[in-house]
Amino acid sequence: SQQGEEDPQALSIQEGENATMNCSYKTSINNLQWYRQNSGRGLVHLILIRSNEREKHSGRLRVTLDTSKKSSSLLITASRAADTASYFCATDERGTYKYIFGTGTRLKVLA
Amino acid sequence: DADVTQTPRNRITKTGKRIMLECSQTKGHDRMYWYRQDPGLGLRLIYYSFDVKDINKGEISDGYSVSRQAQAKFSLSLESAIPNQTALYFCATSVLSGGEHEQFFGPGTRLTVL
Repeated sequence: SQQGEEDPQALSIQEGENATMNCSYKTSINNLQWYRQNSGRGLVHLILIRSNEREKHSGRLRVTLDTSKKSSSLLITASRAADTASYFCATDERGTYKYIFGTGTRLKVLA
Repeated sequence: DADVTQTPRNRITKTGKRIMLECSQTKGHDRMYWYRQDPGLGLRLIYYSFDVKDINKGEISDGYSVSRQAQAKFSLSLESAIPNQTALYFCATSVLSGGEHEQFFGPGTRLTVL
């Protein structure tokens, strides 16, 4: 398997704090995407960063990509209880258009 | 109405039974995917299809088969279900947007094999 790995596996923070999750992968990619999953439900696409981009913002989300280290980070600023979910990165393998998902970070935001 | 639908949403079956999970989409996307998710793990790709005449195995295709009946429909079959196929199954579609693919997921099917 060429699954990526998220770090940490679980994260618990207070409302208002920032949450940072990291993702490492193994192959050359076209892009990397972050998804959110509420417990037992479908995945919701959050943000896509292309292999030639280094940083991208969307609302309270900030994603960075370091292709030399094969890693990405997702920062959620000013977290809210509603941000409680699992977050997954997925890489679009170059030349295949298959998505490889990481194992996820379970985020819990305490009110 | 949801763009990607899966039926059934929940299914309990017995070892050895044949099961079909269905996925339909109204997004008009060419590419469709089946994944399984196990507790504490990410999604693993079972099969994917880039158009009606194209079917490809993913990471964990053993014990599964698929059928792309039409652009909008992609079915996953378990010919003889076994307990370790108990999992959450997701269908997804994708489209090329701005040079990159974004995936859109169905709500999932929770399958339990006794």
